[in-house]
Amino acid sequence: QKEVEQNSGPLSVPEGAIASLNCTYSDRVSQSFFWYRQYSGKSPELIMSIYSNGDKEDGRFTAQLNKASQYVSLLIRDSQPSDSATYLCAVNRDNNNDMRFGAGTRLTVKP
Amino acid sequence: DVKVTQSSRYLVKRTGEKVFLECVQDMDHENMFWYRQDPGLGLRLIYFSYDVKMKEKGDIPEGYSVSREKKERFSLILESASTNQTSMYLCASSLWAGASYEQYFGPGTRLTVT
Repeated sequence: QKEVEQNSGPLSVPEGAIASLNCTYSDRVSQSFFWYRQYSGKSPELIMSIYSNGDKEDGRFTAQLNKASQYVSLLIRDSQPSDSATYLCAVNRDNNNDMRFGAGTRLTVKP
Repeated sequence: DVKVTQSSRYLVKRTGEKVFLECVQDMDHENMFWYRQDPGLGLRLIYFSYDVKMKEKGDIPEGYSVSREKKERFSLILESASTNQTSMYLCASSLWAGASYEQYFGPGTRLTVT
């Protein structure tokens, strides 16, 4: 079992729709969770972090965390073609530097 | 803004060559990392360093070594490059963000070994 699992996609949504990206993790002691956006040929860019159960909103992005279910998600509202990228889920155990990354979900937003 | 730079965006080397990849951060971060990223495998940690002259092996250290002589600079060395080391190499540094460390990446070096 992979430590951090994501559906590889591609996930395709029309412009203006809500894109929902999901991630599960295996280590129950994980404390902090991150979403990175990676455009083709570029490096990952941190877009969201979440540490406690519930929702965290930042502009069009909402991160959701459910530690009991070991599940974290990213919602992108009013999706734009510029949101087309691969989204990496990352999980940090014990708030140290031991970061585990999922393989990423490729999102395409169609005009 | 966190600024992490890498010495080359693209590099082509021959099998058996010694390869140096350099990473510099300008935020006085203590922690620095080297990952490689391959399709379907995600990011895999090669080495990290939490202080000058300190290093720790990650998940896939075989065939690599590192050097950190100054706080801002972390070098990855491929002692004898092989074709299976063709990959995207990403450097990162981390800062304490109040609840956890957050990692920030450099632009990456795409290395091809022929």
